[in-house]
Amino acid sequence: DAKTTQPPSMDCAEGRAANLPCNHSTISGNEYVYWYRQIHSQGPQYIIHGLKNNETNEMASLIITEDRKSSTLILPHATLRDTAVYYCIVRPPWDTGNQFYFGTGTSLTVIP
Amino acid sequence: DGGITQSPKYLFRKEGQNVTLSCEQNLNHDAMYWYRQDPGQGLRLIYYSQIVNDFQKGDIAEGYSVSREKKESFPLTVTSAQKNPTAFYLCASTPPRNTGELFFGEGSRLTVL
Repeated sequence: DAKTTQPPSMDCAEGRAANLPCNHSTISGNEYVYWYRQIHSQGPQYIIHGLKNNETNEMASLIITEDRKSSTLILPHATLRDTAVYYCIVRPPWDTGNQFYFGTGTSLTVIP
Repeated sequence: DGGITQSPKYLFRKEGQNVTLSCEQNLNHDAMYWYRQDPGQGLRLIYYSQIVNDFQKGDIAEGYSVSREKKESFPLTVTSAQKNPTAFYLCASTPPRNTGELFFGEGSRLTVL
């Protein structure tokens, strides 16, 4: 089962920051937080991941709370092409089961 | 370019027929996965394989079969035993002992008439 809770949908104005929350209150010490997004009828695309420190790459920033029970994915200047379903996943990087559990994610709509 | 190739992208079959979906990767990844996605739903794991000649059932393996004879290839057969096979099927892979990033193919959409 997915170990994360995300709001089912969000809207964001084009050019503004999109802040997507994720609750993972049962996260274990060795589990990372991963974010993926899926544009309609395509394969999911990796965005970013982190353990406990905040992370930033060319696509987004990931803010993880100090107790690691929640995180926020930030798209700093949302564009129409960022309209997608965003998945938050927690798992150990070298889990012997090698399973990624995807929930239903957050459907982000960027509005012109 | 390296990546994961799924084929066909769209497939129509009659009820009761077996169907095989292809997944090929040239990323030299060890682990490969098959997921199923239904409209408005998340991804559900069907089968995964960590190495050649080895594979494990995921959450919804009933009615499906796989093989892993080569590192590059992980075909999925949707058998007639699968009660509701119409869905979007996604193949993915991960390199060994990295930070766990999944690489996905573009998917195959199967419609059973």
